[in-house]
Amino acid sequence: ETGVTQSPTHLIKTRGQQVTLRCSSQSGHNTVSWYQQALGQGPQFIFQYYREEENGRGNFPPRFSGLQFPNYSSELNVNALELDDSALYLCASSLDRGRQFFGPGTRLTVL
Amino acid sequence: GQQLNQSPQSMFIQEGEDVSMNCTSSSIFNTWLWYKQEPGEGPVLLIALYKAGELTSNGRLTAQFGITRKDSFLNISASIPSDVGIYFCAGLSLKDSNYQLIWGAGTKLIIKP
Repeated sequence: ETGVTQSPTHLIKTRGQQVTLRCSSQSGHNTVSWYQQALGQGPQFIFQYYREEENGRGNFPPRFSGLQFPNYSSELNVNALELDDSALYLCASSLDRGRQFFGPGTRLTVL
Repeated sequence: GQQLNQSPQSMFIQEGEDVSMNCTSSSIFNTWLWYKQEPGEGPVLLIALYKAGELTSNGRLTAQFGITRKDSFLNISASIPSDVGIYFCAGLSLKDSNYQLIWGAGTKLIIKP
C-alpha cells in the first residue's frame, strides 16, 4: 500500500510568484485535505477535496486554490505569494472524509 | 474563530518519567484527536476520542475526552527516547456542513540525556 506522497519536498520562491504543490493520495482514498503549518504552530486547514469537488474551506484568501484529479491526486496553487506564505504545506488523504493520513509536507520559503 | 489552547508549550523530562499535556477550548468538540509529528514528517494519529468522558489507551499513551467536551489530556507513561517530537491535539469541527480539524499549537517533548 503506497502512502501519501508530496512534491516537491522543498521550494524557494519570491514575492508575487505563483506556486503549485502536488499530493498523491494513499491507494483507495478519495478525499484530500490541505493544511498550512507555520513554524512552531499547529496545522491550519486550507480546504478539502472529496471526489473532485471542494468540500470545505478554512480562512484562506481566494489566491489559495486547489484541484483534485480523477485519480484523486491533488494540487494546491498559491498566487501572488507573500512572505507570510512561507510554511510547511501538508496534504492528508482519507477514505470518504474519514481518518486522515498525512504526507511529509512541502517546505515553501518565500523571499 | 475556534481555537485550541494546548499546554505546556514544551517539556524537558528524564527518560522514564511520565508526561502529561492537555488541550482546552472555548467550543465544544464531538471528536478529539492526538497526533505526533517528528522532524521532516507529517503528523501521525495516536489516539482518537469520540465520547465525552472516554478514556482510551494506546500502549504507554492514555488520553481522555473531557466531560464538558471542551478539553482533553494525553499522558505518556515511562517515557523513552523515541517519544521525542511534537504532540498536537485536534478537535473535529462541523462548519457549513463540512468537517474540519482545528489544531492546538503543539507540545514539544524533549528528553534530557
